[in-house]
Amino acid sequence: AQSVTQLGSHVSVSEGALVLLRCNYSSSVPPYLFWYVQYPNQGLQLLLKYTSAATLVKGINGFEAEFKKSETSFHLTKPSAHMSDAAEYFCAVSVSGSARQLTFGSGTQLTVLP
Amino acid sequence: ETGVTQTPRHLVMGMTNKKSLKCEQHLGHNAMYWYKQSAKKPLELMFVYSLEERVENNSVPSRFSPECPNSSHLFLHLHTLQPEDSALYLCASSQPWGAPSGANVLTFGAGSRLTVL
Repeated sequence: AQSVTQLGSHVSVSEGALVLLRCNYSSSVPPYLFWYVQYPNQGLQLLLKYTSAATLVKGINGFEAEFKKSETSFHLTKPSAHMSDAAEYFCAVSVSGSARQLTFGSGTQLTVLP
Repeated sequence: ETGVTQTPRHLVMGMTNKKSLKCEQHLGHNAMYWYKQSAKKPLELMFVYSLEERVENNSVPSRFSPECPNSSHLFLHLHTLQPEDSALYLCASSQPWGAPSGANVLTFGAGSRLTVL
């Protein structure tokens, strides 16, 4: 069985501040983990993925995430928020790596304040 | 045109209407998916097609009927819907499962916003 929990359905940060979006997973075997982003009126777009090659994963637009097995976490961070980062962010898990067996979290809406 | 294209982007229909959503991908993928996205709920996987064969149907009511005539096109036929079916319907595609990259990545369309009156 697999699941993800995203802590905080809404997060607000000031422009230039650190962005931290939390994701915890539950999996019986080492999982594949993903972060997707959805901008207004658009579909989801892959930000980054963890496939066991390296625990710190760098993605697009300056985002990165660190896989911590001991904490069963895969939190998403960005050192300095831009207004253009305002979007909804989804964490997802697949124990097989197959998109057919992908489980999404409920999403976190990020607001960036000027 | 590249990527995954969905039409129409917005659809309003009555409960007795019949309509269809269309999805087209030009990425060379051979797996296609329909997801339902409702407010405050996780994405719900509805249907999965691989090589035009339906391989997943997650207890979706029969008022939703998918069709995949070829690996580039996917339809969702709608009839006698209920107001609770109002949502954003997302189409996605991916490479074959077990691809050398080790993990499938979904490419999504922009979605079709459905309102059932």
